[in-house]
Amino acid sequence: AQSVTQPDIHITVSEGASLELRCNYSYGATPYLFWYVQSPGQGLQLLLKYFSGDTLVQGIKGFEAEFKRSQSSFNLRKPSVHWSDAAEYFCAVGSTGGFKTIFGAGTRLFVKA
Amino acid sequence: NAGVTQTPKFRILKIGQSMTLQCTQDMNHNYMYWYRQDPGMGLKLIYYSVGAGITDKGEVPNGYNVSRSTTEDFPLRLELAAPSQTSVYFCASSSQDSALEITNYGYTFGSGTRLTVV
Repeated sequence: AQSVTQPDIHITVSEGASLELRCNYSYGATPYLFWYVQSPGQGLQLLLKYFSGDTLVQGIKGFEAEFKRSQSSFNLRKPSVHWSDAAEYFCAVGSTGGFKTIFGAGTRLFVKA
Repeated sequence: NAGVTQTPKFRILKIGQSMTLQCTQDMNHNYMYWYRQDPGMGLKLIYYSVGAGITDKGEVPNGYNVSRSTTEDFPLRLELAAPSQTSVYFCASSSQDSALEITNYGYTFGSGTRLTVV
């Protein structure tokens, strides 16, 4: 069965510092992989997605993620965090050939000045 | 382009009351979903639909019902509200590309309905 683990419940970084949010998945083949962001009081917004091909994918708002098959990981990165990036981030996995998505429990990002 | 629209944004129900959460999308997406989000628990799938007239249960369907009479609308019905149904509810939709054999481009979410049952 598919599953997604986000090991960090919350992370605090200083504004301007780099960010890496961890995500590990369990799936028998190469899945569809997604990162979503949820600002307070809002719905989730798709940041980026991986289907196949280049393992480094670029998303909106300056985010990128790298798929590492050997580690079953899809970590989200940003070189310089802005205060407006404070939000909750969800990693998600979908089965190839399917339409359903399994979401991780989320990582809440706090940004300090 | 409105995307996915949910109404109402907030609602307080008394135990035993019923209500319908409305969801409509204008992107002509075949797939639609209802999730509930509880603190620290991520999102749990309640029901989903693969097209008009076709619905199926997700992980936590008890106490809820859905219908899908049109491509655009996917209302969620709560019968006999219970405190355990206090949550934030999200509707989402997604599309596919048969030519590229991509079945999930990612979801578009509504802004949610915060429901409290007292």
